[in-house]
Amino acid sequence: EIVLTQSPGTLSLSPGERATLSCRASQSVSSNYLAWYQQKPGQAPRLLIYGASRRATGIPDRLSGSGSGTDFTLTISRLEPEDFAVYYCQQYGSSPTFGQGTKVEIK
Amino acid sequence: EVQLVESGGGLVQPGGSLRLSCAGSGFTFSYYEMNWVRQAPGKGLEWVSYISNSGDTIYYADSVKGRFTISRDNAKNSLFLQMSSLRAEDTGVYYCARGDLGYCSGGSCYSHYWGQGTLVTVSS
Repeated sequence: EIVLTQSPGTLSLSPGERATLSCRASQSVSSNYLAWYQQKPGQAPRLLIYGASRRATGIPDRLSGSGSGTDFTLTISRLEPEDFAVYYCQQYGSSPTFGQGTKVEIK
Repeated sequence: EVQLVESGGGLVQPGGSLRLSCAGSGFTFSYYEMNWVRQAPGKGLEWVSYISNSGDTIYYADSVKGRFTISRDNAKNSLFLQMSSLRAEDTGVYYCARGDLGYCSGGSCYSHYWGQGTLVTVSS
């Protein structure tokens, strides 16, 4: 099983700032099959990124994914109020696993 | 518009059983591989089970193998999860989820569309 470790656990930032979220895999993720999700309280997760860097439909270009192999990053270039949430990475190159999440909170 | 609506959650005693359902609409259900994903209260996401579009291929997480059974009825655009020998650690919100055509790899998918979830509570 591939273990995904997300860091930091919590990111305290102000609107307009840049957010950098990390997802590190215990072994290489096949074909960079890595997705990112956003989840707000009481809501289902929302797909943001798949294939490590491909934005899902309707996702603004201030969100971007990068990385390969074992190290992946989600970047939010300028935080908007609606971006404060919990973010999860998921690998689907083998039996699916999720990271433990990074909470982006308002500073 | 793609919609997934789960039902069947509730309170059940340890060792009991429950059957979850998920009704899909707004897409050709029989084309898509489907998954169940769960989330314990205040915790992260955990993949539970996968079923191919035809129902011929099925996978389970080790934590539920031998206790849960996934199935589907394409004629009724429905996905099911039969849960038995339930434990306290099975408590959580269960989501039905759909990926995108051609983007599953050996039964492993990302999930583009999610239902609103149904809460399962295992407690005496």
